Amino acid sequence: GESVGLHLPTLSVQEGDNSIINCAYSNSASDYFIWYKQESGKGPQFIIDIRSNMDKRQGQRVTVLLNKTVKHLSLQIAATQPGDSAVYFCASATNKLIFGTGTLLAVQP
Amino acid sequence: DSGVTQTPKHLITATGQRVTLRCSPRSGDLSVYWYQQSLDQGLQFLIQYYNGEERAKGNILERFSAQQFPDLHSELNLSSLELGDSALYFCASSVDGRTYNEQFFGPGTRLTVL
Repeated sequence: GESVGLHLPTLSVQEGDNSIINCAYSNSASDYFIWYKQESGKGPQFIIDIRSNMDKRQGQRVTVLLNKTVKHLSLQIAATQPGDSAVYFCASATNKLIFGTGTLLAVQP
Repeated sequence: DSGVTQTPKHLITATGQRVTLRCSPRSGDLSVYWYQQSLDQGLQFLIQYYNGEERAKGNILERFSAQQFPDLHSELNLSSLELGDSALYFCASSVDGRTYNEQFFGPGTRLTVL
Protein backbone atom coordinates (compact mmCIF):
# COMPACT_ATOMS: atom_id res chain seq x y z
CA GLY A 1 0.00 0.00 0.00
CA GLU A 2 0.95 3.62 0.00
CA SER A 3 3.52 4.72 2.50
CA VAL A 4 5.51 7.72 3.43
CA GLY A 5 8.46 6.98 5.65
CA LEU A 6 11.29 8.78 7.33
CA HIS A 7 14.86 7.59 7.24
CA LEU A 8 15.96 8.76 10.71
CA PRO A 9 13.77 8.52 13.77
CA THR A 10 15.97 10.93 15.80
CA LEU A 11 18.26 13.73 14.71
CA SER A 12 20.45 15.56 17.20
CA VAL A 13 22.09 18.81 16.10
CA GLN A 14 23.98 21.65 17.71
CA GLU A 15 22.33 25.03 17.97
CA GLY A 16 23.31 27.11 14.97
CA ASP A 17 23.96 24.15 12.70
CA ASN A 18 21.82 23.27 9.71
CA SER A 19 19.41 20.33 9.99
CA ILE A 20 18.32 18.01 7.22
CA ILE A 21 15.33 15.72 7.68
CA ASN A 22 14.55 13.18 4.99
CA CYS A 23 11.38 11.50 3.80
CA ALA A 24 10.58 8.85 1.20
CA TYR A 25 7.20 8.31 -0.38
CA SER A 26 5.93 5.38 -2.38
CA ASN A 27 3.16 6.70 -4.59
CA SER A 28 4.60 8.17 -7.76
CA ALA A 29 1.22 9.80 -8.44
CA SER A 30 1.62 12.07 -5.40
CA ASP A 31 1.54 15.64 -6.63
CA TYR A 32 1.68 17.65 -3.43
CA PHE A 33 3.83 17.42 -0.32
CA ILE A 34 3.77 19.08 3.07
CA TRP A 35 6.15 19.24 6.00
CA TYR A 36 4.68 19.54 9.49
CA LYS A 37 6.20 20.39 12.85
CA GLN A 38 4.68 18.91 15.98
CA GLU A 39 5.79 20.17 19.36
CA SER A 40 5.19 18.17 22.49
CA GLY A 41 1.57 18.34 23.57
CA LYS A 42 0.44 20.19 20.46
CA GLY A 43 -1.12 19.39 17.14
CA PRO A 44 0.81 19.36 13.86
CA GLN A 45 1.68 22.75 12.42
CA PHE A 46 2.14 23.41 8.72
CA ILE A 47 5.69 24.48 7.83
CA ILE A 48 6.06 24.43 4.07
CA ASP A 49 4.64 22.72 1.03
CA ILE A 50 5.78 21.92 -2.48
CA ARG A 51 4.03 20.80 -5.62
CA SER A 52 5.38 18.09 -7.87
CA ASN A 53 6.19 20.56 -10.64
CA MET A 54 8.85 22.11 -8.42
CA ASP A 55 12.21 20.81 -7.18
CA LYS A 56 12.83 23.33 -4.45
CA ARG A 57 10.91 25.79 -2.36
CA GLN A 58 12.21 28.14 0.27
CA GLY A 59 10.57 29.66 3.28
CA GLN A 60 11.87 31.47 6.29
CA ARG A 61 14.93 29.44 7.37
CA VAL A 62 13.43 26.31 5.78
CA THR A 63 13.90 24.76 2.37
CA VAL A 64 12.15 21.74 0.93
CA LEU A 65 13.77 19.74 -1.83
CA LEU A 66 11.84 17.27 -3.94
CA ASN A 67 13.43 14.52 -6.02
CA LYS A 68 10.67 12.82 -7.94
CA THR A 69 13.03 10.40 -9.63
CA VAL A 70 13.79 8.63 -6.36
CA LYS A 71 10.58 9.70 -4.60
CA HIS A 72 12.37 11.56 -1.86
CA LEU A 73 11.97 14.90 -0.20
CA SER A 74 13.93 16.67 2.46
CA LEU A 75 13.47 19.54 4.85
CA GLN A 76 16.43 21.75 5.53
CA ILE A 77 16.39 24.05 8.54
CA ALA A 78 19.07 26.72 8.58
CA ALA A 79 20.72 27.91 11.80
CA THR A 80 18.73 25.50 13.94
CA GLN A 81 17.45 26.98 17.18
CA PRO A 82 16.26 25.37 20.43
CA GLY A 83 12.70 26.32 19.46
CA ASP A 84 13.01 24.05 16.44
CA SER A 85 13.09 20.99 18.71
CA ALA A 86 10.03 18.96 17.74
CA VAL A 87 8.86 16.01 15.67
CA TYR A 88 8.86 16.71 11.96
CA PHE A 89 6.93 14.64 9.49
CA CYS A 90 6.07 14.81 5.87
CA ALA A 91 2.84 14.09 4.06
CA SER A 92 2.13 13.33 0.45
CA ALA A 93 -1.14 13.89 -1.34
CA THR A 94 -3.03 12.56 -4.28
CA ASN A 95 -6.70 12.68 -3.32
CA LYS A 96 -5.88 12.31 0.36
CA LEU A 97 -2.96 12.97 2.67
CA ILE A 98 -0.63 10.13 3.64
CA PHE A 99 1.57 10.98 6.60
CA GLY A 100 5.04 9.81 7.52
CA THR A 101 5.85 8.59 11.01
CA GLY A 102 8.09 11.47 12.05
CA THR A 103 11.65 12.40 12.99
CA LEU A 104 12.46 13.84 16.37
CA LEU A 105 14.77 16.83 16.04
CA ALA A 106 16.73 17.52 19.23
CA VAL A 107 18.68 20.76 19.29
CA GLN A 108 21.60 20.81 21.71
CA PRO A 109 22.51 24.25 23.13
CA ASP B 1 -2.91 28.77 19.50
CA SER B 2 -4.47 27.53 16.25
CA GLY B 3 -7.99 28.62 17.14
CA VAL B 4 -9.27 25.04 16.99
CA THR B 5 -10.46 23.72 20.33
CA GLN B 6 -10.89 20.12 21.39
CA THR B 7 -12.41 18.65 24.51
CA PRO B 8 -11.63 16.79 26.58
CA LYS B 9 -7.85 17.01 26.65
CA HIS B 10 -7.50 13.59 28.22
CA LEU B 11 -9.90 10.67 28.41
CA ILE B 12 -9.40 7.36 30.18
CA THR B 13 -11.94 4.62 29.73
CA ALA B 14 -12.35 0.88 29.62
CA THR B 15 -12.65 -1.59 26.77
CA GLY B 16 -16.14 -1.92 25.39
CA GLN B 17 -17.11 1.62 26.35
CA ARG B 18 -18.22 4.50 24.13
CA VAL B 19 -16.80 8.04 24.16
CA THR B 20 -17.45 11.29 22.34
CA LEU B 21 -14.74 13.74 21.36
CA ARG B 22 -15.67 17.29 20.56
CA CYS B 23 -14.11 19.83 18.22
CA SER B 24 -14.84 23.49 17.59
CA PRO B 25 -13.29 24.81 14.37
CA ARG B 26 -11.68 28.20 13.90
CA SER B 27 -14.11 31.03 13.42
CA GLY B 28 -15.10 31.12 9.76
CA ASP B 29 -13.88 27.64 8.90
CA LEU B 30 -16.51 25.41 7.34
CA SER B 31 -14.58 22.17 7.12
CA VAL B 32 -13.53 19.83 9.90
CA TYR B 33 -11.15 16.88 9.68
CA TRP B 34 -10.51 14.12 12.19
CA TYR B 35 -7.19 12.32 12.52
CA GLN B 36 -5.86 9.53 14.70
CA GLN B 37 -2.22 9.51 15.78
CA SER B 38 -0.89 6.32 17.31
CA LEU B 39 2.66 5.34 18.12
CA ASP B 40 2.81 2.51 15.62
CA GLN B 41 0.91 4.04 12.70
CA GLY B 42 1.57 7.76 12.83
CA LEU B 43 -1.08 10.22 11.79
CA GLN B 44 -4.01 8.83 9.85
CA PHE B 45 -6.91 10.67 8.28
CA LEU B 46 -10.28 9.46 9.50
CA ILE B 47 -13.01 11.65 8.05
CA GLN B 48 -13.81 15.14 6.77
CA TYR B 49 -16.96 17.24 6.95
CA TYR B 50 -17.81 20.40 5.10
CA ASN B 51 -20.68 22.58 6.23
CA GLY B 52 -22.45 19.69 7.88
CA GLU B 53 -21.97 17.14 5.11
CA GLU B 54 -19.49 14.30 4.93
CA ARG B 55 -16.92 15.10 2.23
CA ALA B 56 -14.21 12.45 2.48
CA LYS B 57 -13.61 9.25 4.34
CA GLY B 58 -10.28 7.74 5.28
CA ASN B 59 -9.32 4.85 7.50
CA ILE B 60 -12.26 5.18 9.85
CA LEU B 61 -13.50 2.02 11.52
CA GLU B 62 -17.18 1.10 11.47
CA ARG B 63 -17.18 1.41 15.27
CA PHE B 64 -16.37 5.10 14.83
CA SER B 65 -18.73 7.76 13.57
CA ALA B 66 -18.72 11.52 13.33
CA GLN B 67 -20.98 14.40 12.53
CA GLN B 68 -20.82 18.13 12.05
CA PHE B 69 -23.59 20.20 13.55
CA PRO B 70 -25.28 23.36 12.21
CA ASP B 71 -23.05 25.52 14.41
CA LEU B 72 -20.11 23.76 12.67
CA HIS B 73 -18.73 22.02 15.72
CA SER B 74 -18.03 18.34 15.23
CA GLU B 75 -18.12 15.23 17.35
CA LEU B 76 -16.28 11.96 16.88
CA ASN B 77 -17.97 8.98 18.50
CA LEU B 78 -15.91 5.91 19.30
CA SER B 79 -17.76 2.80 20.44
CA SER B 80 -16.93 -0.73 21.55
CA LEU B 81 -13.51 0.59 22.43
CA GLU B 82 -10.49 -1.67 22.17
CA LEU B 83 -7.01 -1.32 23.62
CA GLY B 84 -5.71 -0.49 20.17
CA ASP B 85 -7.92 2.59 19.99
CA SER B 86 -5.66 4.32 22.49
CA ALA B 87 -4.21 7.24 20.59
CA LEU B 88 -4.20 10.98 20.14
CA TYR B 89 -7.19 12.21 18.18
CA PHE B 90 -6.77 15.49 16.37
CA CYS B 91 -9.31 17.72 14.79
CA ALA B 92 -8.32 20.23 12.13
CA SER B 93 -10.32 22.88 10.34
CA SER B 94 -10.03 24.85 7.15
CA VAL B 95 -12.07 27.46 5.34
CA ASP B 96 -13.07 25.60 2.21
CA GLY B 97 -12.00 22.01 2.81
CA ARG B 98 -9.90 21.90 -0.35
CA THR B 99 -6.50 23.24 0.64
CA TYR B 100 -4.31 21.09 2.83
CA ASN B 101 -1.89 23.91 3.59
CA GLU B 102 -4.65 25.85 5.27
CA GLN B 103 -5.61 23.16 7.75
CA PHE B 104 -5.17 24.22 11.36
CA PHE B 105 -4.90 21.49 13.96
CA GLY B 106 -6.30 21.50 17.46
CA PRO B 107 -4.29 20.37 20.49
CA GLY B 108 -5.77 16.89 20.42
CA THR B 109 -7.55 14.54 22.79
CA ARG B 110 -5.49 11.78 24.30
CA LEU B 111 -7.60 8.65 24.64
CA THR B 112 -6.42 5.82 26.85
CA VAL B 113 -8.37 2.57 26.79
CA LEU B 114 -7.60 0.26 29.72
